[in-house]
Amino acid sequence: GAVVSQHPSRVICKSGTSVKIECRSLDFQATTMFWYRQFPKQSLMLMATSNEGSKATYEQGVEKDKFLINHASLTLSTLTVTSAHPEDSSFYICSARTDTEQYFGPGTRLTVT
Amino acid sequence: EDKVVQSPLSLVVHEGDTVTLNCSYEVTNFRSLLWYKQEKKAPTFLFMLTSSGIEKKSGRLSSILDKKELFSILNITATQTGDSAIYLCAVGGGSNYKLTFGKGTLLTVNP
Repeated sequence: GAVVSQHPSRVICKSGTSVKIECRSLDFQATTMFWYRQFPKQSLMLMATSNEGSKATYEQGVEKDKFLINHASLTLSTLTVTSAHPEDSSFYICSARTDTEQYFGPGTRLTVT
Repeated sequence: EDKVVQSPLSLVVHEGDTVTLNCSYEVTNFRSLLWYKQEKKAPTFLFMLTSSGIEKKSGRLSSILDKKELFSILNITATQTGDSAIYLCAVGGGSNYKLTFGKGTLLTVNP
């Protein structure tokens, strides 16, 4: 099946700093990628839909100025958590869509101290 | 607002038991229902269902969709300890196949 990678897999940062997470589709082109957040013992919550070459579509309640998404190419989307706070600590997962399925990256564990 | 409800939220069984996990949904412009297994990291794909009444099978796992009653079930027969995981149901809708996830069922299989 298709492979999606994320980098980094784990990051610890200080409050107030920004963190960039990359999501790549390795063996296919993805016009649409999705960013999810998962808190412990909870399900995945969609944050935003990232479309190549256009602005991301954010879900209700997600601050677009805080979670900057850039879908620079058909194989790369990035999520930047700006001015991170401890409550942003979470598991961030991206997925990339083919015509028929969504493939998930391995996730990035963000801890903000 | 799209909604996906899974039940039970958690389940503890013994090896060899058969389990049935439920997923009901309300979504506009339904396209597909997907089942995922999540262990320590990101979800791994199990099944995608788009048509009613057609069972999909993979080894000891099987799943079926009822688009009239808006639900799906995931069956696991002869459970093993390696089946212990969170099983997530997601429904895809809209023009961009956005997925809405249920809260998941935490399955624990004891030896």
